Amino acid sequence: GDSVTQMEGPVTLSEEAFLTINCTYTATGYPSLFWYVQYPGEGLQLLLKATKADDKGSNKGFEATYRKETTSFHLEKGSVQVSDSAVYFCALSDPLSYGGSQGNLIFGKGTKLSVKP
Amino acid sequence: IAGITQAPTSQILAAGRRMTLRCTQDMRHNAMYWYRQDLGLGLRLIHYSNTAGTTGKGEVPDGYSVSRANTDDFPLTLASAVPSQTSVYFCASSGLAGSREQFFGPGTRLTVL
Repeated sequence: GDSVTQMEGPVTLSEEAFLTINCTYTATGYPSLFWYVQYPGEGLQLLLKATKADDKGSNKGFEATYRKETTSFHLEKGSVQVSDSAVYFCALSDPLSYGGSQGNLIFGKGTKLSVKP
Repeated sequence: IAGITQAPTSQILAAGRRMTLRCTQDMRHNAMYWYRQDLGLGLRLIHYSNTAGTTGKGEVPDGYSVSRANTDDFPLTLASAVPSQTSVYFCASSGLAGSREQFFGPGTRLTVL
């Protein structure tokens, strides 16, 4: 079945460091890919998305490129801030999963990021 | 403010009791979802609804039921709670098919003793 694998955390970085969180996927069809962010005590918020191969999603300085050849969607940011401390979830949406649910998401286990001043 | 509301925010429940988690959205989204979030397991889909009047089972449906009487509301019921249902529950919604982005509520933290 469909699945998402992302690097295990926690990840601890100093402010202004470069961030990469790896994400790879397996899917039956042609999924859309997402990164969601969860700040402490809150629900999930969409960070960025890509709907087809070679698309690049970007938001708030974060970027991820949909790589079909490597089935990957790695999240990157050039210079992290303390305010980026959160849990990051990679997810895919495959219309062929669960017998027809229109767009339910399959999540990775999450990567906790802590940024120190 | 448009979005998804969930109630209660948190609840402690004795095993064997019945509990309904409420979810309401005002975005007129067709599809709605219930997930549970457990440490080390990420989010897992419990039930979904593509449109009012229809529901379906997700990855972990056992012990849970849902209904979708109208577009806005999607309650999740635990008929007889067990400790393994201790979790944080998130409701989500998305618009027309083809727009795969989901919007999440703030979550309900449920503890079953």
